[in-house]
Amino acid sequence: EAGVTQSPRYAVLQEGQAVSFWCDPISGHDTLYWYQQPRDQGPQLLVYFRDEAVIDNSQLPSDRFSAVRPKGTNSTLKIQSAKQGDTATYLCASSLGRGQNSDYTFGSGTRLLVI
Amino acid sequence: GEQVEQLPSSLIVQEGASVLINCSYTDSASVYFPWYKQEPGKRLQFIIDIRSNMERKQTQRLTLLFDKKTKHLSLHITATQPGDSAIYFCSVMTNSAGNKLTFGIGTRVLVRP
Repeated sequence: EAGVTQSPRYAVLQEGQAVSFWCDPISGHDTLYWYQQPRDQGPQLLVYFRDEAVIDNSQLPSDRFSAVRPKGTNSTLKIQSAKQGDTATYLCASSLGRGQNSDYTFGSGTRLLVI
Repeated sequence: GEQVEQLPSSLIVQEGASVLINCSYTDSASVYFPWYKQEPGKRLQFIIDIRSNMERKQTQRLTLLFDKKTKHLSLHITATQPGDSAIYFCSVMTNSAGNKLTFGIGTRVLVRP
């Protein structure tokens, strides 16, 4: 079974530039998550979807970040105007239903460096 | 919101020794506690979990203990191997927060051959 696929693997931007991250979840998983993992910290949830609906985006900086999952499958996370503080690894995960089991699966992440 | 503290932040052991990682949380409504392993450059890998109606879970060389009263978990890894070198994360799911996982800061484990 294919895992959670993310692209690109790496991105290097200057401040003020825009970037998009793409995620393909495990087939059949209805719930998709975006986490931000700064260096030497644990992941922190930014937003998550059930099918195409946003369930929780309370930690997403709405002035510069946006996330969509239009058909309830793949998802895109976009940063409009990157700041150095956005430097982190962006992780996508997916699960089925309540996610209280081992199928809550993470992708390899996109490492973002903003200079 | 939920807060998760994980200790120690790092440790070094000789191959064959045991490792103990502690995790505490704040929200008494938390119900599910998965742990993940992250090797350098690789994805977070699920290793073991426990629910709030359990006290202990064991799989191969991993034992996870849960104390609901003190809101404390501990992960015990026995007979360590160099391949156990990684960052280990405790995480917590609270029903009121939906499917959100709140993570600890991680414990960096180095197993010397």
